[in-house]
Amino acid sequence: AQSVTQPDIHITVSEGASLELRCNYSYGATPYLFWYVQSPGQGLQLLLKYFSGDTLVQGIKGFEAEFKRSQSSFNLRKPSVHWSDAAEYFCAVVPEEYGNKLVFGAGTILRVKS
Amino acid sequence: ETGVTQSPTHLIKTRGQQVTLRCSSQSGHNTVSWYQQALGQGPQFIFQYYREEENGRGNFPPRFSGLQFPNYSSELNVNALELDDSALYLCASSSLKGGNTEAFFGQGTRLTVV
Repeated sequence: AQSVTQPDIHITVSEGASLELRCNYSYGATPYLFWYVQSPGQGLQLLLKYFSGDTLVQGIKGFEAEFKRSQSSFNLRKPSVHWSDAAEYFCAVVPEEYGNKLVFGAGTILRVKS
Repeated sequence: ETGVTQSPTHLIKTRGQQVTLRCSSQSGHNTVSWYQQALGQGPQFIFQYYREEENGRGNFPPRFSGLQFPNYSSELNVNALELDDSALYLCASSSLKGGNTEAFFGQGTRLTVV
């Protein structure tokens, strides 16, 4: 079945440590790819997006993501995590045939310990 | 701030009742999508409106219906509310043009059905 998988439900990292959140998708063609962040009780804020071109994408708040076609992955990274990064992170795709209707993963909750 | 406004922010309804949620899209956007986010899950696509016409629908029953107005604002209506309809309802505004499918989300409406 076509889907978006975020294998880690929770991740805890120390402040200042590096972060990688995993995302895999199962669609035949390369979809448009996104990472969103959601603070408790809030809407979704776009961190970054990949449509085509350079497979390393820079986003806001110091985040970046790398698209790997061979692995159907779009992992989110940050070299040094800040306490304010604690939130829930969602990977999403727009399968080419769906226009701009987003399919989301289940999310990864990031906890930052001081 | 995304410029997407949803109202109300919170709502409590009784099972069997009907509810209307509202969304004002970002200036210049002609497309509104609605998502349901149950507790602990990623958002699920309900439907999308493009220039006042429904432009795709997810796996939701007909008691979920919508409208888009000439100013591109939108309503989500849910009839015969069930307990499982309790969720955060998110509206996303975008512009269907070329390959740019970035969506901007509102803060959401938290619906509780008792």
